Amino acid sequence: AQSVTQLDSQVPVFEEAPVELRCNYSSSVSVYLFWYVQYPNQGLQLLLKYLSGSTLVKGINGFEAEFNKSQTSFHLRKPSVHISDTAEYFCAVSDWGFKTIFGAGTRLFVKA
Amino acid sequence: SAVISQKPSRDICQRGTSLTIQCQVDSQVTMMFWYRQQPGQSLTLIATANQGSEATYESGFVIDKFPISRPNLTFSTLTVSNMSPEDSSIYLCSVEGGEKLFFGSGTQLSVL
Repeated sequence: AQSVTQLDSQVPVFEEAPVELRCNYSSSVSVYLFWYVQYPNQGLQLLLKYLSGSTLVKGINGFEAEFNKSQTSFHLRKPSVHISDTAEYFCAVSDWGFKTIFGAGTRLFVKA
Repeated sequence: SAVISQKPSRDICQRGTSLTIQCQVDSQVTMMFWYRQQPGQSLTLIATANQGSEATYESGFVIDKFPISRPNLTFSTLTVSNMSPEDSSIYLCSVEGGEKLFFGSGTQLSVL
């Protein structure tokens, strides 16, 4: 069985500061890893994904994540956040069939 | 990409009644997934629906409560049966495409 743990339920940060949203996963098989974002009053959309290859993955809006197999982590980072990055961020893991399990979510709140 | 039409977009229902949610995809897909997102929480996978076979339910969800139909490769329905206030949630249809999930706009269900 797969599971996802997002270590922070809320992350407040000032505009233009760097941010890291933490995610750890567990699985007995090879998995695909994702970060989805949900802006206020909107549906989920994909931020970035790791399927194979380079462990550093770049996504939309300047976000990137690094897959660390030994630590079973897939932390999301952005060097300088903007007010518009305020949203709920979900880490997710799926098997080859794309049955996807989501973490509890991290609410990123960017302050001016 | 996949475009998913989900309806109704919202409904208010009485305790003890049932609601059927429809999900239409603009392309043929093998698997469709039904999720629930309770207020302020993450997405929880209810079941995976394959065309031509019984849906596969996750732990905590049963067919009698959430019967699913999958009559063809572009359509599925989820019924929430014998509803109680605890079923108040957003229900989301999802499909895999291009190695990521696409989501419908969701059905916001309120049970009185």
